[in-house]
Formats: sequence, C-alpha cells, structure tokens
Amino acid sequence: EADIYQTPRYLVIGTGKKITLECSQTMGHDKMYWYQQDPGMELHLIHYSYGVNSTEKGDLSSESTVSRIRTEHFPLTLESARPSHTSQYLCASSDHRGGEKLFFGSGTQLSVL
Amino acid sequence: GENVEQHPSTLSVQEGDSAVIKCTYSDSASNYFPWYKQELGKRPQLIIDIRSNVGEKKDQRIAVTLNKTAKHFSLHITETQPEDSAVYFCAASRASGGSYIPTFGRGTSLIVHP
Repeated sequence: EADIYQTPRYLVIGTGKKITLECSQTMGHDKMYWYQQDPGMELHLIHYSYGVNSTEKGDLSSESTVSRIRTEHFPLTLESARPSHTSQYLCASSDHRGGEKLFFGSGTQLSVL
Repeated sequence: GENVEQHPSTLSVQEGDSAVIKCTYSDSASNYFPWYKQELGKRPQLIIDIRSNVGEKKDQRIAVTLNKTAKHFSLHITETQPEDSAVYFCAASRASGGSYIPTFGRGTSLIVHP
C-alpha cells in the first residue's frame, strides 16, 4: 500500500549523540518535508525538498541537516542531540498531481536526556 | 513571508452544535488553503481544501469559506459528534520555486462533549 513511513517510532538518546530519523514514501511524490511538533501544538517547518538533490531550510532554526539522494527517501540527521531537540518529528510528502495535499507519516517521538 | 493566524486556540461545544474555526493570512499571493485534522496520537490528515477561485466548498458536515478580499477563511462543522474532537490546522500556500510550501496556523483544539 502506498504510504509514508517513519522510523523509529520512538527514540530515547543521550545528549551529544548523532542520530538519523528515517522517512520513506512509496507514493512517488516529488516534494518532501520535515516538521517539528510538540504534542497538540503548531507545526514548525524545518526542512523541505522539491526533488532529488534539492534541499531547503524552513522557518524554524534547526541544527539538523537533510539529504535527498533518492526520490523516496528523505532522512533527517542531528549531529549532536540536545534536550531542546526533544519533540515529535513529522515527515510529509506532496505532489502536484494530488493537488498539493500533504500526506504525513506517523512521526518519530524523540527524547534527548 | 506568509503569516497565518488561527482562532480560537481551544473550542468546546456540545454534541450536535456547530463549530467554526477562523484563519487569516497575510500574503495575497496565497491561493491554496487546506485544513488538516489531527486526532490524539495520530498524524495530521487533510479533511477539506479550497482554492482561491472558489468562495465555498462543502463535504457532508464540513464546509470551508474563503474571503480573498479580507484574506480570511473559515472551517464550519455542523452537527458535531464526539469523533470530531481533534486539533484542526489551517494552512495557506504560495507558489515557491514551482511548488506550494504551506504555512500552518497554530491549531485549534476542538472538544465535543457528548
């Protein structure tokens, strides 16, 4: 079934660790996004991509980086995690053929101790 | 850049009542306005959207209206049910490098009491 997948679902790590949050979509969408969201709170855009080899920073200042080597894959990397990075990270994708509707993954809940 | 204001932040209604959530945007170039519903512990999902060439759109119990002149759009839910309880996000999008990059409102927590 076409969907957008995020792993891990939950992650607890220590300060200073390097982590990568995975996001893959099987819908053939060209655009992908990363949002940071505290529970029930607003969505903050941190990175987005128009397609392969395209990456842009969003509105929220973040110490994270992304890459888009393949259409279906858009991983997010934190080089040195801090407690302030504790949050939920949502990956999304969209395509003009779908009317630019965003399809979200189930999210990764990150806790940095 | 675009700025989207959403009100109220919390809305509590009795089952069967109507609920209205309002959003304003600042960028007159925005031309696509989706609404997303996020139930507790779940991912946001699109429930309805409207484009700037349309003033109103309905889908069963939900409707969205758009006033381009005033730069505001609203979500209307009639005959609310407990399963409508969720956080609702409005968004406004502009064309940027050939794509629409949505700016979200802060969300409205809707609580429907049985």
